[in-house]
Amino acid sequence: DSGVTQTPKHLITATGQRVTLRCSPRSGDLSVYWYQQSLDQGLQFLIQYYNGEERAKGNILERFSAQQFPDLHSELNLSSLELGDSALYFCASSVSLLGNSPLHFGNGTRLTVT
Amino acid sequence: AQSVTQLDSQVPVFEEAPVELRCNYSSSVSVYLFWYVQYPNQGLQLLLKYLSGSTLVKGINGFEAEFNKSQTSFHLRKPSVHISDTAEYFCAVRSGGSNYKLTFGKGTLLTVNP
Repeated sequence: DSGVTQTPKHLITATGQRVTLRCSPRSGDLSVYWYQQSLDQGLQFLIQYYNGEERAKGNILERFSAQQFPDLHSELNLSSLELGDSALYFCASSVSLLGNSPLHFGNGTRLTVT
Repeated sequence: AQSVTQLDSQVPVFEEAPVELRCNYSSSVSVYLFWYVQYPNQGLQLLLKYLSGSTLVKGINGFEAEFNKSQTSFHLRKPSVHISDTAEYFCAVRSGGSNYKLTFGKGTLLTVNP
């Protein structure tokens, strides 16, 4: 158990809809990361937060947004969903921003858009 | 920019045989290197990490990896694999600079056959 909690585990929704994925980092970790895993793209970095502030953006679509709250949990919002958004979405956390701080991953949310 | 290349997408081996999963990276600055394992329907679990010091690092489940700066490689090895080692293995790099992103390779599926 990594200590990173993601909910829900599975999500099935229709095209055009909006969903929210939730992540609670490990106790003591200030940084949260979101990754998307799909068969064709592999593991793609979406966005990172540190202590409530956005710190880095990757291949995140404009239809997607995220935030980190004062209690350090994070939410990833996906809107106007398309079939191609079906993927496994992982949250990870780390103690610090430093490169030598490993990321610890949750078990992911599997999103299926029909 | 940093990148990771995992040279083999699939590696089938027999139980109790040795295995090596290859990983090459590129980065313009100093790096930190990681191997993660993903079992079916689970999240990514940290196997081992190279941060500094000895180039041979040992991880969980009997795995080890060797950092070779001149060849920009970080190959993962295990002297004798078990059926339970069947999983997808990801090599990842994080720079020592201000780039916070952890960049993953496309993964190697290790299948251990009886």
